[in-house]
Amino acid sequence: DGGITQSPKYLFRKEGQNVTLSCEQNLNHDAMYWYRQDPGQGLRLIYYSQIVNDFQKGDIAEGYSVSREKKESFPLTVTSAQKNPTAFYLCASSIDPTESSYEQYFGPGTRLTVT
Amino acid sequence: RKEVEQDPGPFNVPEGATVAFNCTYSNSASQSFFWYRQDCRKEPKLLMSVYSSGNEDGRFTAQLNRASQYISLLIRDSKLSDSATYLCVPSTGTASKLTFGTGTRLQVTL
Repeated sequence: DGGITQSPKYLFRKEGQNVTLSCEQNLNHDAMYWYRQDPGQGLRLIYYSQIVNDFQKGDIAEGYSVSREKKESFPLTVTSAQKNPTAFYLCASSIDPTESSYEQYFGPGTRLTVT
Repeated sequence: RKEVEQDPGPFNVPEGATVAFNCTYSNSASQSFFWYRQDCRKEPKLLMSVYSSGNEDGRFTAQLNRASQYISLLIRDSKLSDSATYLCVPSTGTASKLTFGTGTRLQVTL
């Protein structure tokens, strides 16, 4: 089955700790994305990557870091510098990042709670 | 003005009813449009893509009015399983630039 997997589904951390969220896809998609969703708000783009070993900041990159060492994987680290890390984190991918007609497909998400 | 505006609802409709949602967008450079549905505490799932004036897929019809910068989604013969939040998503030239609306919540009842 082709798809996007994110793990874990729920994650709890203490304030001040860094945490890494996993995202893997076997769709052979070039582009991958990280969003966060807060209650009552639309999805906001954190980082995206159009090709291996390259990534760009989205609208709310502060306090986050990513890597793209393999086409299939795009892990997100939420650092202690992120002021309000508690949120629903969604990873997505699309076939060709240069074509606006290509839709993005989402993983099941990771719900992070920091106390 | 928000980049994407949707009536948050909820729209409460009986099973079998027809319901329509509107979405307005501010960026006139938007080229493609998507409707996603999102169930409570789940990921968004692609419902429909709109590249020209509209698209139809079974009970779902999307219509685009570029001059007025709005897009609509019509659902005919509503089912209980249609209950979800519907997200309007314009794209502006590259796949990295999707702008998500906050969504319209639909509740279909018996």
